Amino acid sequence: SQTIHQWPATLVQPVGSPLSLECTVEGTSNPNLYWYRQAAGRGLQLLFYSVGIGQISSEVPQNLSASRPQDRQFILSSKKLLLSDSGFYLCAWSGDGYSYEQYFGPGTRLTVT
Amino acid sequence: AQSVAQPEDQVNVAEGNPLTVKCTYSVSGNPYLFWYVQYPNRGLQFLLKYITGDNLVKGSYGFEAEFNKSQTSFHLKKPSALVSDSALYFCAVRSYGSSNTGKLIFGQGTTLQVKP
Repeated sequence: SQTIHQWPATLVQPVGSPLSLECTVEGTSNPNLYWYRQAAGRGLQLLFYSVGIGQISSEVPQNLSASRPQDRQFILSSKKLLLSDSGFYLCAWSGDGYSYEQYFGPGTRLTVT
Repeated sequence: AQSVAQPEDQVNVAEGNPLTVKCTYSVSGNPYLFWYVQYPNRGLQFLLKYITGDNLVKGSYGFEAEFNKSQTSFHLKKPSALVSDSALYFCAVRSYGSSNTGKLIFGQGTTLQVKP
């Protein structure tokens, strides 16, 4: 069966510090991968998606970047965090079939102080 | 423009009563529709989907959803609510124009509160 991991689970970082969040998927190959941010426990904002190694599409211009160095690894980064980067970050994957459902990781709670 | 609307920020229901969480959509092609549930500080869990076929779709934890093409709706239902069903629920639709990206458009979420 497929599983998706995210780490760290929680993170407190000062303004201006760098960020690296990691997401890995097991039990599938060539997944589509997604990074979302959820503010205040409500709506999801799609940040980045990737359909293959090295292929990154950005949905919202911002302070963040993403990379996919391996087939099942997706990394979210920032060189300098802003207060507005605080939130709950979710990674998700979907298969390349016809059903399109996404499966989500447990999330990372980021607080920028 | 493609969109998903969840018209209620919160739904309150007594335990044992039936529940409905509403969702309407607007897409340019055949709708692929999904429901997810999120418990506090957790990721979203997939509940069910409609791709084609029977308009009544059954999913996890006793939930079901009814696809209504004429009303462009996909309401989530459960015959008898449990206190443990209290959570945030998201409706989503496949985003067309994205070929193989699998992108979904999510509603803003509805908080379900089930009281004992």
